[in-house]
Amino acid sequence: AQKVTQAQTEISVVEKEDVTLDCVYETRDTTYYLFWYKQPPSGELVFLIRRNSFDEQNEISGRYSWNFQKSTSSFNFTITASQVVDSAVYFCALSENSGYALNFGKGTSLLVTP
Amino acid sequence: DGGITQSPKYLFRKEGQNVTLSCEQNLNHDAMYWYRQDPGQGLRLIYYSQIVNDFQKGDIAEGYSVSREKKESFPLTVTSAQKNPTAFYLCASSGGQSPSTDTQYFGPGTRLTVL
Repeated sequence: AQKVTQAQTEISVVEKEDVTLDCVYETRDTTYYLFWYKQPPSGELVFLIRRNSFDEQNEISGRYSWNFQKSTSSFNFTITASQVVDSAVYFCALSENSGYALNFGKGTSLLVTP
Repeated sequence: DGGITQSPKYLFRKEGQNVTLSCEQNLNHDAMYWYRQDPGQGLRLIYYSQIVNDFQKGDIAEGYSVSREKKESFPLTVTSAQKNPTAFYLCASSGGQSPSTDTQYFGPGTRLTVL
């Protein structure tokens, strides 16, 4: 069963728009970790954020912000004032304390046009 | 600069051939991983190694083999037994020995095409 669901396959926005990428996860563990990675056209995955299950504080880093809600099992990612350089595939991932690997969603392809 | 290097960037293989993908890291990380990515899909774990001379199968290990003779190196061999090897292969490493809790950092990837 898919443990991480990214329902949005592709999103297209115009530069300077705000955009939210959704991530819903499923786990029975009480201790787990959530991640977001960015994959630009070059292919390398770039680490963006790691959040553990005991820390529900939202986080902001420049134009990026993350909203973690255990009640809805969601870990959404918002880009404010999007730029063309934000165009990439974004992956949400889950690791469980009882597991041995990162469980990746299928990714959301974001296209930001000028 | 510290990081993870993978070579080659592109690799072409004829059916029936074995090929080896290189992954080197100079981050002094204990754990290393190999993932496979197919178009429109997330990453799937092939093998991982938490320490030198030890490695474990991931979810899709069939048709692949690895070795971990040095801390900084974790080569992946795609054997002729792998029925559909055309994919993008990503190597990663993490500082601790726990795949379930440590942040993994990725290399630039190798794109393998079977002709």
